[in-house]
Amino acid sequence: QKEVEQDPGPLSVPEGAIVSLNCTYSNSAFQYFMWYRQYSRKGPELLMYTYSSGNKEDGRFTAQVDKSSKYISLFIRDSQPSDSATYLCAMSVIQGAQKLVFGQGTRLTINP
Amino acid sequence: NAGVMQNPRHLVRRRGQEARLRCSPMKGHSHVYWYRQLPEEGLKFMVYLQKENIIDESGMPKERFSAEFPKEGPSILRIQQVVRGDSAAYFCASSPKDRGANTIYFGEGSWLTVV
Repeated sequence: QKEVEQDPGPLSVPEGAIVSLNCTYSNSAFQYFMWYRQYSRKGPELLMYTYSSGNKEDGRFTAQVDKSSKYISLFIRDSQPSDSATYLCAMSVIQGAQKLVFGQGTRLTINP
Repeated sequence: NAGVMQNPRHLVRRRGQEARLRCSPMKGHSHVYWYRQLPEEGLKFMVYLQKENIIDESGMPKERFSAEFPKEGPSILRIQQVVRGDSAAYFCASSPKDRGANTIYFGEGSWLTVV
């Protein structure tokens, strides 16, 4: 069993839709949770960073962490074609940047 | 304001050859991390280095792989006697100090193809 599970998709939605991306995990020691966006043949770009449980909002993006269920989500409101990318969840036990554990990534396409 | 620079971006090697991937961290960053992304998989941690020091190499395969970050020059990930299974994207990341994953910046990756 992988430490972090993420549905690889692909996920295709119309422009303007609300997108929900999710990850589950098995290691209850994870405390730091991240979402990255990765365009094709590019490096991952940090979108959201949260500590422990709760919600965090940044513009059209909202990250949720439910540690009791070992479940994290990323919501994208008013989705745009430019949001088409692969979204990777990542998490770590410690605050440091090493040993991030990534999900497989969900490939998202926003159709105009 | 250059970001994390990786080269080469694309590398083709025959089985048994050596591959050397280079990473120059962002200006002011002293910590370097290497991650590998196999096809259709997420990134997997390989090694964490500071100048002249390997801090954590728990993700490195036991054989054929090595990494260094010398006092001068870029960090280098070396893969000896490459095999087809080494074909992957190798990402370098850097941070100013090990203060948190929100300080880490990834390069654009080096794509290794072993034929």
